[in-house]
Amino acid sequence: GESVGLHLPTLSVQEGDNSIINCAYSNSASDYFIWYKQESGKGPQFIIDIRSNMDKRQGQRVTVLLNKTVKHLSLQIAATQPGDSAVYFCAENIGPSYGGSQGNLIFGKGTKLSVKP
Amino acid sequence: GAVVSQHPSWVICKSGTSVKIECRSLDFQATTMFWYRQFPKQSLMLMATSNEGSKATYEQGVEKDKFLINHASLTLSTLTVTSAHPEDSSFYICSATKQGIEKLFFGSGTQLSVL
Repeated sequence: GESVGLHLPTLSVQEGDNSIINCAYSNSASDYFIWYKQESGKGPQFIIDIRSNMDKRQGQRVTVLLNKTVKHLSLQIAATQPGDSAVYFCAENIGPSYGGSQGNLIFGKGTKLSVKP
Repeated sequence: GAVVSQHPSWVICKSGTSVKIECRSLDFQATTMFWYRQFPKQSLMLMATSNEGSKATYEQGVEKDKFLINHASLTLSTLTVTSAHPEDSSFYICSATKQGIEKLFFGSGTQLSVL
């Protein structure tokens, strides 16, 4: 079946370095993607989103890249800080035109980011 | 902002008892709320979609009689785990949508431990 997955289950980086977290999706009908950050024992926190008509979007210290050709999504975190340590999930929405509904997201498996001081 | 409050944060109960978890949208009206379940080191799995004033839509494999969902108002949805068993122990998370905004706003989650 179609699913959202991640290439790397864990990622360890040095404080100050840049982090790249990858996500592969297989549903070509997906038109909206979100990255969430989840700290231990807490609910997911929105980081950044991107629509399928874009290939790049930047936020504060974060950038999301979308490559529709290979169905690949990535999250780049600049100057990674200890507070960035968490599990990161990508999520996709196939959109109402294809049977999806607003907010009905499919989540990937997650990547645990550990930042070494 | 769009704040979603979930209560309680954690609960321990005996096997066979029922537990109610509340999800409130504090500063907006949420026509749709979602309930997720998350096991340790795993992703969020959608359990059901809750629409105000109508019956919830459950995902395949989720027992509607065991996981009762009530969405009586535009700011409150509740999930009741009936006759809880140890295998129901999990992290339950709710989320809500705000009209005109596609992203989800999540509650802080409820850790349920059934003894």
